Amino acid sequence: GESVGLHLPTLSVQEGDNSIINCAYSNSASDYFIWYKQESGKGPQFIIDIRSNMDKRQGQRVTVLLNKTVKHLSLQIAATQPGDSAVYFCAEGTGTASKLTFGTGTRLQVTL
Amino acid sequence: DTGVSQDPRHKITKRGQNVTFRCDPISEHNRLYWYRQTLGQGPEFLTYFQNEAQLEKSRLLSDRFSAERPKGSFSTLEIQRTEQGDSAMYLCASSLVPRETQYFGPGTRLLVL
Repeated sequence: GESVGLHLPTLSVQEGDNSIINCAYSNSASDYFIWYKQESGKGPQFIIDIRSNMDKRQGQRVTVLLNKTVKHLSLQIAATQPGDSAVYFCAEGTGTASKLTFGTGTRLQVTL
Repeated sequence: DTGVSQDPRHKITKRGQNVTFRCDPISEHNRLYWYRQTLGQGPEFLTYFQNEAQLEKSRLLSDRFSAERPKGSFSTLEIQRTEQGDSAMYLCASSLVPRETQYFGPGTRLLVL
């Protein structure tokens, strides 16, 4: 299949370990942040989102942390599984249901 | 499957030809977005609609590109006089205002020869 990202930063983790994917954003006015997972040949799949009035949000096996002071976002995946292998994008938005601006993406490789 | 569908999934065309893509959003969603993604990059915003009104267009959307959402349901994106630089994945997403989450379709992969 085709590759989503050919020269992306890559994070390799062993199955069962925790993964942390980082993202820096640039627009101080952004108030909504979202993480997507994209597998090869597919569209981005929603993982978790967070608004700027929060600094942490948890989902199933995933946690998003937001540090507005340094404009940094992270995605933590607990007990990483082979099915988590994909490219992960952070995206930011401003206002209600606005367009999203995506980061460059990180490829997560899960080794057995 | 998010419920957003796109057709066709793949399109190969010759330079100079016109192409049209279709997006069917999740049925109750009132916002529909188009993005373009090239290899190694994140999606880039092109345009979005609220119901049938086109509310914003990116500077990436040259005058060869036109998008419509005539009845506030499905949308079409047309590219006239295609160029090799138009080769990309064209992604559609939808959301239900005022909720933020945008759900993406599988994309249409365009290759211009």
